[in-house]
Order: sequence, then C-alpha cells, then structure tokens
Amino acid sequence: GQNIDQPTEMTATEGAIVQINCTYQTSGFNGLFWYQQHAGEAPTFLSYNVLDGLEEKGRFSSFLSRSKGYSYLLLKELQMKDSASYLCAVKRSPSASKIIFGSGTRLSIRP
Amino acid sequence: DVKVTQSSRYLVKRTGEKVFLECVQDMDHENMFWYRQDPGLGLRLIYFSYDVKMKEKGDIPEGYSVSREKKERFSLILESASTNQTSMYLCASSLSGGSLYEQYFGPGTRLTVT
Repeated sequence: GQNIDQPTEMTATEGAIVQINCTYQTSGFNGLFWYQQHAGEAPTFLSYNVLDGLEEKGRFSSFLSRSKGYSYLLLKELQMKDSASYLCAVKRSPSASKIIFGSGTRLSIRP
Repeated sequence: DVKVTQSSRYLVKRTGEKVFLECVQDMDHENMFWYRQDPGLGLRLIYFSYDVKMKEKGDIPEGYSVSREKKERFSLILESASTNQTSMYLCASSLSGGSLYEQYFGPGTRLTVT
C-alpha cells in the first residue's frame, strides 16, 4: 500500500532549529514536496526534492534520501509565524494526479 | 500572483441535497484538482482534470462528480450529500509538463452536512 508517516505534533522555541521528518513507502517515486499550511488557510509550496541531498532555501532546507524512503524539513531561526502544519507529499509517477499527502505535522512555536 | 478562488468558505447542507462547489483559477493552468482534508487523514484526491472536459478519478471519487467546461473553472458536485461528506474541500491548480507540479491551493470550503 501507500504510506507516508510524519509526526502529528511538534513544539519548538523561537530562534531555535527544528527538524520535521517524513518517511514514505509508495509504489513509485517521482519527487517529494513540502507544503506549509497555517490554520484555516490554504497549503503553500515550500520545496521539492527529486534527487538525494539537501536543498536550501533561506531559513528552510529539505533533505531527501530515496534509498531510505526518508525526507526531512529543517527550519532555522524559528519565528512565531512558523507555527503551522507542514505537509509531506510524494509524487508517485510523472502524472500530476499521482501525489499522496501525509497527514501533516502541526508545529507550535513558543516564545 | 496565482489566484485560486472557491465559491464559499463555509457551507451547511442537509442530507440528500445536491451540492455544488466551484473553483476558479486565473493562471491558465491545465491541471485542476479537488481534495478533501480530514484530521489525521491528510489531503485525499477526489478528482483531477488535465484539460477542459477531461477528468480522472482520484483515490476517493465515490459520491462525487466533477465538471470542467472552461479551462479556468472546475466544479465538484455531491450528487446526494451525506454526513460522511462533512469535510474541508480544497481546490488546487498546476501547470502541466516538466517534473515539477507545484500546486496552488484555494482557501478551502468547509462543508457541513446535517
């Protein structure tokens, strides 16, 4: 079957670093997305990894290991506005419709 | 800025009613999607459209149908609403071609069926 696992909730402190993990078991792999979703709002795109390694984009970085079926999203210099849910999604094939989402990690930032 | 809009933020309907959810995007995207989002289950794809009048079933199409008569508009239809269709419904669009299918999401419609 298709399975994406990520922690349900995490808490971190303002100014710190947090790593949100995502493991996946899917029939096919054609890339992995991370989206951010603030409460009551639409998900917004953060990153896309298709090759192994680390992709850095400002305070956010995303890592992928295809052989381990593993990815993480790293958030540095945390700000209160980073409190949101973070969704991991795997594209199973080149088809746009073959994307499955994890249930999301709700991140709370405390002062 | 890509804009995906949905006709309602909140909707309350009765069991058995026919429900229409509308989605409009303004970036000339070929692909459009309807998802539902439920706590603990993440986003699940209901239907996908890759062109006008073209559609493809997603993972949970039962009880739903869709219509895409114009490129910018994708409608989700609940033929006979049931309480288990109470959910947050999200529309999304994306370009086709290439390996990156970044999706742009609308604000969502929270549907309650009583």
